[in-house]
Amino acid sequence: GEDVEQSLFLSVREGDSSVINCTYTDSSSTYLYWYKQEPGAGLQLLTYIFSNMDMKQDQRLTVLLNKKDKHLSLRIADTQTGDSAIYFCAESSGAGSYQLTFGKGTKLSVIP
Amino acid sequence: GAVVSQHPSRVICKSGTSVKIECRSLDFQATTMFWYRQFPKQSLMLMATSNEGSKATYEQGVEKDKFLINHASLTLSTLTVTSAHPEDSSFYICSASPVSGANVLTFGAGSRLTVL
Repeated sequence: GEDVEQSLFLSVREGDSSVINCTYTDSSSTYLYWYKQEPGAGLQLLTYIFSNMDMKQDQRLTVLLNKKDKHLSLRIADTQTGDSAIYFCAESSGAGSYQLTFGKGTKLSVIP
Repeated sequence: GAVVSQHPSRVICKSGTSVKIECRSLDFQATTMFWYRQFPKQSLMLMATSNEGSKATYEQGVEKDKFLINHASLTLSTLTVTSAHPEDSSFYICSASPVSGANVLTFGAGSRLTVL
C-alpha cells in the first residue's frame, strides 16, 4: 500500500527557516498536503500542491515537490514560536481522491 | 471558510458503555465524511468513510459492529463506539469534503475519548 514517511522531530531557533521533509511511495499521487496540528486540536490545512506542480508559495510557506524522487518539503520562513506544532504530510491518489494517507507527523519545536 | 465541528471534544466513560461522537459540517454540505483515529505520537489512521444515505466503508481491521457510523444527513455523521474498552481510548478526528469545490478536506478539532 501507499506509504508516507517523515522525520519525527525538528528543532529550530526563532527567526530561522524550518524545512520539513516528506517522502511518499505512491507514484499516482495527485495531491499532496501539509497539515498542522496543535496540541489537543484537529488538523488545519496549511497548503496543498497538485502533482503537476513543483513549487507553491503562500506567504511564509514554500512547498517543493520533486515528483521524480517522490519528495515533498515544507519550508517555513522566519519561524515563530506559534509555529510549534506537529506537521503532517499527506497524499491522495486514484479513485476516492479525498482519502488521504498521512505520514506520522514531524514535531516542530521553535526555540525562542 | 468551511468549518467542521465535532462534539464532544472530550469524553470519559466507563468500560462497557457506548459513546457517540458527532461530526457536523457547519457551512457546507458533505456527501462524504471520514473518521480517523490517532494514537499518541502516531499518524492518523483512516477508520472509515461515511457516505450520506448509504453504509459506511470501513478500512481493513476496523470492526464495523464496534464503531457504528451513521451519516443521516448532508451535514451530520456520527461515530458510536459500542461497549467501549480502555484500548478504545484515543483521539478521534473527522473530516469532510464539500459536495463541490477544491479537492481538500476540512478537519474537526477532534474528540478525545478516555475509557476507564
